[in-house]
Amino acid sequence: DTEVTQTPKHLVMGMTNKKSLKCEQHMGHRAMYWYKQKAKKPPELMFVYSYEKLSINESVPSRFSPECPNSSLLNLHLHALQPEDSALYLCASSQEDRANVLTFGAGSRLTVL
Amino acid sequence: KQEVTQIPAALSVPEGENLVLNCSFTDSAIYNLQWFRQDPGKGLTSLLLIQSSQREQTSGRLNASLDKSSGRSTLYIAASQPGDSATYLCAGTTSGTYKYIFGTGTRLKVLA
Repeated sequence: DTEVTQTPKHLVMGMTNKKSLKCEQHMGHRAMYWYKQKAKKPPELMFVYSYEKLSINESVPSRFSPECPNSSLLNLHLHALQPEDSALYLCASSQEDRANVLTFGAGSRLTVL
Repeated sequence: KQEVTQIPAALSVPEGENLVLNCSFTDSAIYNLQWFRQDPGKGLTSLLLIQSSQREQTSGRLNASLDKSSGRSTLYIAASQPGDSATYLCAGTTSGTYKYIFGTGTRLKVLA
């Protein structure tokens, strides 16, 4: 299995909702990442988990809460989001925490109303 | 703060042309560098990785090089095809971290 699977593919939520994005990989990768990408912009790093511990938080607002329950799963919990948080959220993984080849999922398209 | 610029921002060429895409880092101390392609609304597909001890990588019609003294990378696409149409992004890390910083992207259109 050489894939990173993200669910859901599309999510529409109101500003008072609580929802979660999920990411799964079975390649034995020990580093997992969340990126945010706005239209026609490059991806921006949000969080990095290395060996299931949060190692980088790029000053992301607390309304985004990451969780790594085990080495194969990465969640992004969403609460009280703003319309400007609408974007494509990309999950990636790499073999070690020294950033070898990044393997990306197809992304979750989030719309906040 | 590391900034990454890609030139050109957009490119439209007829099928069969050889292409050069450029990527430039403000901090030339690049550790790892990757080139990706992204189709509209999709995730990123890794094309080539140049690791810290390397200067060049090749895969099929693609060749990427990295000049660490200037912080510049080049992606060469030979004999372009309409299926190559996509946005191409470079991304690099410094000092062996796992913090990949992405370039601004080049939107490529290859006309049949």
